Amino acid sequence: GQQVMQIPQYQHVQEGEDFTTYCNSSTTLSNIQWYKQRPGGHPVFLIQLVKSGEVKKQKRLTFQFGEAKKNSSLHITATQTTDVGTYFCAGILISGGSNYKLTFGKGTLLTVNP
Amino acid sequence: IAGITQAPTSQILAAGRRMTLRCTQDMRHNAMYWYRQDLGLGLRLIHYSNTAGTTGKGEVPDGYSVSRANTDDFPLTLASAVPSQTSVYFCASSRTFTGELFFGEGSRLTVL
Repeated sequence: GQQVMQIPQYQHVQEGEDFTTYCNSSTTLSNIQWYKQRPGGHPVFLIQLVKSGEVKKQKRLTFQFGEAKKNSSLHITATQTTDVGTYFCAGILISGGSNYKLTFGKGTLLTVNP
Repeated sequence: IAGITQAPTSQILAAGRRMTLRCTQDMRHNAMYWYRQDLGLGLRLIHYSNTAGTTGKGEVPDGYSVSRANTDDFPLTLASAVPSQTSVYFCASSRTFTGELFFGEGSRLTVL
């Protein structure tokens, strides 16, 4: 079945350092979403990527979708303590008509030392 | 304020008891979902509903049931709770089945 692997599982950085989390799918995805969950909170949607090779930026966050639509990354430049949380990718596979499956990666927990 | 409301926020339950987690959304979203979140396992889909009147099984449906009598409500029922169902449960909705998910605040359930 479809699997979405996310690495690393944990990442601890000093404030100001960069951070990257990677998401890899065993199958070609229709699109991919990214979510952030603050400690004790609920997942909040960040962005959706649809096109092969797509790159989107949100302030210090850069999202990429691979050319083969099987991998994605989230890069944070110059981390801040407000970036602390777990970042999840969620891959969407559409197979004919309304058959679709959204699979979450296990997430990357980011901690930032001030 | 528009969004998703889950109840209860937390609950301690004796094994064998029946429990229903409530979820209501006021965004008129077609699709709704129930996830459980456990440390190290991420978010796992329990059941989903693409539209009112239809439901489907997710990755971990055993021991859970859902109903979708109308667009707004999507309750999750544990017929006979077991300790392995101790978890944080999130309800979510999306306008379309490929759109962004809006999550509720979560319900923390402890089964003793």
